[in-house]
Amino acid sequence: KAGVTQTPRYLIKTRGQQVTLSCSPISGHRSVSWYQQTPGQGLQFLFEYFSETQRNKGNFPGRFSGRQFSNSRSEMNVSTLELGDSALYLCASSSLAGVREQYFGPGTRLTVT
Amino acid sequence: SQQGEEDPQALSIQEGENATMNCSYKTSINNLQWYRQNSGRGLVHLILIRSNEREKHSGRLRVTLDTSKKSSSLLITASRAADTASYFCATEPYNTDKLIFGTGTRLQVFP
Repeated sequence: KAGVTQTPRYLIKTRGQQVTLSCSPISGHRSVSWYQQTPGQGLQFLFEYFSETQRNKGNFPGRFSGRQFSNSRSEMNVSTLELGDSALYLCASSSLAGVREQYFGPGTRLTVT
Repeated sequence: SQQGEEDPQALSIQEGENATMNCSYKTSINNLQWYRQNSGRGLVHLILIRSNEREKHSGRLRVTLDTSKKSSSLLITASRAADTASYFCATEPYNTDKLIFGTGTRLQVFP
């Protein structure tokens, strides 16, 4: 089975712009979770989608949003980018709802200048 | 704030030696998981231990969980250079269905 794929792998944006990141889960997996990783805050949970519905979300401002499509692919959007949004954004998929035994993608490294 | 704190922050050992990493957390949990991350890439799931389990093995990995002390340890036996990575514990706090990661331990194994 192909693993979790994320596109793009690297992205440079300017403050104030918006960005959309994409995640394709392992075939058959219906749960997709998103995480932000920064040197200062570490790995933080953003949200989880299961069967096109947001099941859970972390403590991030409304500028961070996501969605999941009927084929389980998920997108994450960040609007009005700030310098502090520079991070590695990881998505993870699982066959079951929830956060057990997740399979992570390689991440998208976002740099905001 | 993060749920887990890991100790040590960094560890350097020679190939063949054992590596032990510790994780402490703050609240009651459903389970605790350990992940490995190579050079800022994606995480790889290593092992999951449920709150009613005390010890679990997987290959060269041994994980213990002490819920009374809210702590866990990961032991890697007979380490190899390929084990060089950052290791994270992650807890699923009770009734949250979220995964909270620890601060990580950077392991360097010298050949």
